[in-house]
Amino acid sequence: GQQLNQSPQSMFIQEGEDVSMNCTSSSIFNTWLWYKQDPGEGPVLLIALYKAGELTSNGRLTAQFGITRKDSFLNISASIPSDVGIYFCAGGLTGANSKLTFGKGITLSVRP
Amino acid sequence: DAGVIQSPRHEVTEMGQEVTLRCKPISGHNSLFWYRQTMMRGLELLIYFNNNVPIDDSGMPEDRFSAKMPNASFSTLKIQPSEPRDSAVYFCASSRRALAGNTDTQYFGPGTRLTVL
Repeated sequence: GQQLNQSPQSMFIQEGEDVSMNCTSSSIFNTWLWYKQDPGEGPVLLIALYKAGELTSNGRLTAQFGITRKDSFLNISASIPSDVGIYFCAGGLTGANSKLTFGKGITLSVRP
Repeated sequence: DAGVIQSPRHEVTEMGQEVTLRCKPISGHNSLFWYRQTMMRGLELLIYFNNNVPIDDSGMPEDRFSAKMPNASFSTLKIQPSEPRDSAVYFCASSRRALAGNTDTQYFGPGTRLTVL
């Protein structure tokens, strides 16, 4: 079945640094979503991408839908302590009964 | 909008007991998803509904698991009998499914943390 690869499993950065996360797939998706999960909460949508090559920003976050449709990346600029959490990518396909495939997530730690 | 509502937030039960998790999707959303999250396996889709009809239950681990959606504003996930390996966080998510076009964004509830002793 389809799988999304996110690595590394954990990232440690200093406050103020930029960080980039990749998500790759062996198959094509036509929707890419990035979610963040805080401890004890459900995943919250950060950015949604619907078109190959699309580059979308949400504050300090920027995400891109890869041209091949098999990857996406998320950039966080000028990290702050509240950026700590688990970041999930998810891919979806067009269709009446399509569903999302999630990566295993990257745990981000930000040192003050 | 209140968002997706799940209850209870925490459930501790003994092996063999029946467990029922509840979900109220966002008003106007017509798709509902049940996920299970563990450290080892990450987020796993268990089952999802479109317009209250179960579409894909291939992720339901065994016959001990069942899910219903009697109307557009309520769904349950039941485990009977429960086992320690069912301990996990169970999430419900909903989306407004379009007839065509891109996959719709899913919005997650806060989850139910289940512990089976």
